Amino acid sequence: GESVGLHLPTLSVQEGDNSIINCAYSNSASDYFIWYKQESGKGPQFIIDIRSNMDKRQGQRVTVLLNKTVKHLSLQIAATQPGDSAVYFCAETGMEYGNKLVFGAGTILRVKS
Amino acid sequence: EPEVTQTPSHQVTQMGQEVILRCVPISNHLYFYWYRQILGQKVEFLVSFYNNEISEKSEIFDDQFSVERPDGSNFTLKIRSTKLEDSAMYFCASSPMGTQYFGPGTRLLVL
Repeated sequence: GESVGLHLPTLSVQEGDNSIINCAYSNSASDYFIWYKQESGKGPQFIIDIRSNMDKRQGQRVTVLLNKTVKHLSLQIAATQPGDSAVYFCAETGMEYGNKLVFGAGTILRVKS
Repeated sequence: EPEVTQTPSHQVTQMGQEVILRCVPISNHLYFYWYRQILGQKVEFLVSFYNNEISEKSEIFDDQFSVERPDGSNFTLKIRSTKLEDSAMYFCASSPMGTQYFGPGTRLLVL
């Protein structure tokens, strides 16, 4: 069910280090997953996506890993920069959801210079 | 790069008043969505729209809410009689199929 006043987990990393943000998704039937970045006062910004027929996908400085066995998704950010500081959300969708996105709770990433 | 745009960026209204939130989706996209985010909470789906009709709506999207695509470019969300609990960020999104691209949001405050 929904939580009121979520306390988001926070990941603090040093500039230049790698970051790993984790997400547990809800529905084993979901077949498409997206990571979004949300900066304060802005809308979710697409980072990278992955379909359920893959277990890894790489972008520029980012990698998404999908483990369907345990319904786990992770986002790896290489050489984290101060501009990466934001809230990161995973979202899932699939036939059971129609074409709506179901968002996770989010993780705050703080990058220390 | 094309973007989803939304107006206004902020809206303050009195409880019981009607508000219309406006969105211009990316021009060649076919699927349109509204989501909302109450402060400190998850982004929640409200409604999806395709081929000039609602394709899906959540239980949040009750009779006080409506959506419209009045012309070839705009997509609007109307709240007929706002309640205090409607205070949130409202995001429009559009999609060709698959990835959804979000606008910057409208911050609605109901007093």
